Parts: sequence; C-alpha cells; structure tokens
Amino acid sequence: EAGVAQSPRYKIIEKRQSVAFWCNPISGHATLYWYQQILGQGPKLLIQFQNNGVVDDSQLPKDRFSAERLKGVDSTLKIQPAKLEDSAVYLCASSLGAGTGELFFGEGSRLTVL
Amino acid sequence: EDQVTQSPEALRLQEGESSSLNCSYTVSGLRGLFWYRQDPGKGPEFLFTLYSAGEEKEKERLKATLTKKESFLHITAPKPEDSATYLCAVRDFGNEKLTFGTGTRLTIIP
Repeated sequence: EAGVAQSPRYKIIEKRQSVAFWCNPISGHATLYWYQQILGQGPKLLIQFQNNGVVDDSQLPKDRFSAERLKGVDSTLKIQPAKLEDSAVYLCASSLGAGTGELFFGEGSRLTVL
Repeated sequence: EDQVTQSPEALRLQEGESSSLNCSYTVSGLRGLFWYRQDPGKGPEFLFTLYSAGEEKEKERLKATLTKKESFLHITAPKPEDSATYLCAVRDFGNEKLTFGTGTRLTIIP
C-alpha cells in the first residue's frame, strides 16, 4: 500500500516569497491533516480536512497560510508571504476517519526561510 | 486547552538497559492517548492507542500504560534500532485535533 506522498522534500526561499507544498494521502482516507513541526517541538495542527471540507483551521495563520483539498483527494498548502519563523517541516497526514488517532504521516517538506 | 508534557527531553541508554518515558497530560475529557515514533528526517509513525486508565498495550520491546494523569512508555532491553524520538499525543472529547508533546529523544548506545 502506498504511503502519504509529499513534495517537495526541501525548499529554501527568501522571506516575503511564496511557497506551495503538495500532499497525496493514502487512497480511501477521508481525513487529511497539515501539521507544522518546528525543530525540537512536536507537530502542531494547522488544518484538518474531512473529504474536501475544513474541520479545524483554528491554528492556521490565515493572513499568510492557505490550504485546499479539491475533490477530496490531494491537497496543497501555500504560504504567502513567508516569514523567517515559518522555517519548519510541514507534515501531511491522513486517516480513515476523523475520530481515529492513528494517523499516517508523510516524510514532510522541510522549509528554510532566509 | 489540552496540554502534553513529556520527560525527559533526551535519554541515553546502554543497549539492554531498560527505562521508561513519561507523558503527563491535561485535558477536560480524555478521548484517547497516542504514542508515535519519529526517526530523523521522517514523519511520525503510529505505535499505540490507549483509551482508559489501567489500559496497557505492548509491541516488541515497548509497553505503554495509562493512568488518569499520565502515560508511560516502558522500553525493555532496548536495541540501537530503538533510537528515535517518541511523541505522545492526546485527543479531547469535543475536539477532533491531536495535541502533541515535544517528544523524548532516545539514544541506545551499542
């Protein structure tokens, strides 16, 4: 069974530039999550989708971050404009449903903002 | 707001030296407590789910236990391949999101 696919794995940008990350979840998984993991910290939920609807985006900095999950399958997370403090690993995860704590994570996209 | 505190931050053990990692939590109503393993440069990998005080789960050299205020991840006779960061997370009733702790970085020395 294919796992959660993310791209790109690494991205380096200047502050105020924009960046987009892509995620393809495990086939059949209705719930998709984007987490931000800053070095030395645990993952922090940015946004959770159930199919193509948003369940929780309370910790998403909406002035600069946006995410979409068209057709309820793959998803894109965008940052515009980026700040230095956005340097982190952006993890995508999926699960069969919203009520489970068994999430399947991708390998992440490491963003460095200079 | 849910809180998860893990200790110690880092732990170095000799191969075969058993120990325990701690996860203390504050939630209004625990819906589930979850343990994950994270290798460098990888996403977290699910290990266990615990739902109620007194519950235990085992997998190879790992055993997770749960009380009303904390969970322990016991590692028995660890091997170098057990080296990783171990993350604890909780889910609260009425809140779908997982709240993660900062993890314990475990190093097993051959």
